[in-house]
Amino acid sequence: EPEVTQTPSHQVTQMGQEVILRCVPISNHLYFYWYRQILGQKVEFLVSFYNNEISEKSEIFDDQFSVERPDGSNFTLKIRSTKLEDSAMYFCASGKRREQGVLAFFGQGTRLTVV
Amino acid sequence: QQQVKQSPQSLIVQKGGISIINCAYENTAFDYFPWYQQFPGKGPALLIAIRPDVSEKKEGRFTISFNKSAKQFSLHIMDSQPGDSATYFCAASPTASKLTFGTGTRLQVTL
Repeated sequence: EPEVTQTPSHQVTQMGQEVILRCVPISNHLYFYWYRQILGQKVEFLVSFYNNEISEKSEIFDDQFSVERPDGSNFTLKIRSTKLEDSAMYFCASGKRREQGVLAFFGQGTRLTVV
Repeated sequence: QQQVKQSPQSLIVQKGGISIINCAYENTAFDYFPWYQQFPGKGPALLIAIRPDVSEKKEGRFTISFNKSAKQFSLHIMDSQPGDSATYFCAASPTASKLTFGTGTRLQVTL
């Protein structure tokens, strides 16, 4: 069964450093998302991407965040200058339109720890 | 208006019992309501989803009940098993848009 894969599974970085989180969505999916989950809290939307551009972003997704689909298959989230409060699980999701709506399938996540 | 309120925060059910988790929303633009199951250290896994044009959807032991007028929906897990022990999130979205998640319910099914 196809699945969303994310790398790395765990990333430790120093405050102020740049990190790039990588995702390989399910092929033939057209909708791509990044969410994050601070430990013990709910899953929060960051950004959605469709037709090679950002379709929606949350207030969390400020200028330090960016997304790219560099080669038509990978989907990346870059955090330019990490802060302590960026520590969280980051989930990539991809989706395909179905009768019920866009069914979003999540990857296993990247645990980002900013020290 | 964007919030999805979920209750209870935690739930303990005996094996074979029925687990019931409730969610409520305010945004009438929401028209897609999925439930996700999350095990520790894993990503949310899509369990079952419903559109507001039906009042109930059943898949195996999992049933979503939907009350459009009350803006409420619930997940029922019949014959709950220890393997069902996980955190369950309801979510809602307008068509093809971002998911707004509830705060999660930690379910523990005891023997």
